[in-house]
Amino acid sequence: SSELTQDPAVSVALGQTVRITCQGDSLRSYYPSWYQQKPGQAPVLVFYGKSHRPSGIPDRFSGSISGNTASLAITGAQAEDEADYYCNSRVSNGSPPVVFGGGTKLTVL
Amino acid sequence: QVQLQESGPGLVKPSQTLSLTCTVSGDSITSGDYLWSWIRQLPGKGLEWIGYIYHRGDTYYTPSLKSRASISVDTSKNQFYLNLKSVTAADTAVYYCARDLSAHYYDTWALDIWGQGTTVIVSS
Repeated sequence: SSELTQDPAVSVALGQTVRITCQGDSLRSYYPSWYQQKPGQAPVLVFYGKSHRPSGIPDRFSGSISGNTASLAITGAQAEDEADYYCNSRVSNGSPPVVFGGGTKLTVL
Repeated sequence: QVQLQESGPGLVKPSQTLSLTCTVSGDSITSGDYLWSWIRQLPGKGLEWIGYIYHRGDTYYTPSLKSRASISVDTSKNQFYLNLKSVTAADTAVYYCARDLSAHYYDTWALDIWGQGTTVIVSS
């Protein structure tokens, strides 16, 4: 299957750590990318590949992967981290060559 | 820094062709060996990759839109384009253009710079 599955909603207390997960067979072969999208705004790349964090993204964002499940961790979540988060991944021998997860709404309490 | 900006009509009639332009500023569209992608987001939904173009003209489309979508580039204007023909209400969405790093990495697919998006409504 080329699908990526994300939990629809996750919440975290201010200052705590939260992990947003993305599950799919393609993740056994490829690292995902993670995007943050706030209401009315374009997605922003926050982490990609094995260990790439784009310039300007706080180091509280990190990625990991185990088997077919990838995680985006936010260590010490801030109020401004409240947003939708999407993962995407290459697909092996797939068409389309890239798929997105359905997104996770993160609420910071 | 590199910026992308989408432009085009916000309202398109059913059965007509949706035409959007993405203007790249801050660097040449031919530098850095990047791909240039179009992505859309249906109302209240997730993201759907439409296709990409390389500055030499190579293209790739998602199968569900391949028969209707066409992406082209004008390097002299530092722009690339999306045409989507025979649109229906189901094509109503926010359309984004983005710089695509996938040619740089074999093990991931990342879109590192996005335009602000443009809303296209298909309605008579």
